[in-house]
Amino acid sequence: DVKVTQSSRYLVKRTGEKVFLECVQDMDHENMFWYRQDPGLGLRLIYFSYDVKMKEKGDIPEGYSVSREKKERFSLILESASTNQTSMYLCASTPAANAWTQYFGPGTRLLVL
Amino acid sequence: GIQVEQSPPDLILQEGANSTLRCNFSDSVNNLQWFHQNPWGQLINLFYIPSGTKQNGRLSATTVATERYSLLYISSSQTTDSGVYFCAVGGTGGYQKVTFGTGTKLQVIP
Repeated sequence: DVKVTQSSRYLVKRTGEKVFLECVQDMDHENMFWYRQDPGLGLRLIYFSYDVKMKEKGDIPEGYSVSREKKERFSLILESASTNQTSMYLCASTPAANAWTQYFGPGTRLLVL
Repeated sequence: GIQVEQSPPDLILQEGANSTLRCNFSDSVNNLQWFHQNPWGQLINLFYIPSGTKQNGRLSATTVATERYSLLYISSSQTTDSGVYFCAVGGTGGYQKVTFGTGTKLQVIP
């Protein structure tokens, strides 16, 4: 089974802190994605990556950056956390050969105070 | 970009009842998926169904791409079916980006 893990299920940070969310997949997938999920808005794509050291902006990249130094790991960085970044963050991965079937991690609920 | 609308936004069912969830999308798509998010937040892919009909146990899905909608059928609902159901679509531009609908929140009561 494909396994996508995220470093924390729950996280509480203060405004202005730098926050790192880590995602690791164990199936050698080329594509990885970061979404945020908010009530009434569904999932919105923040960033995605097709390969190591490669990144593309999604729909709402402002206030976020990403890093993909190794194929299995995709990190989401909040340079200076703000209260409007309180949300559920979901990581997903897909193989290049079947890029439409996304496998999701369990999510990280981030609260910024 | 593609707009995805799901209906109804909320649904409460008695255990054993059947239901139909709808997903409308605004443009031609290459890809359509249905996901279930359980109450703990885990998203599971139910169907990859850009067109046609598929069935998996008590669940089935139909996509009519020419009319830009998809339906998810749940028969003989169980409490474990509770959660949020998302429809997600990908466009025809060769760009592997997926747009999610806002979801249907389903509660199945005993």
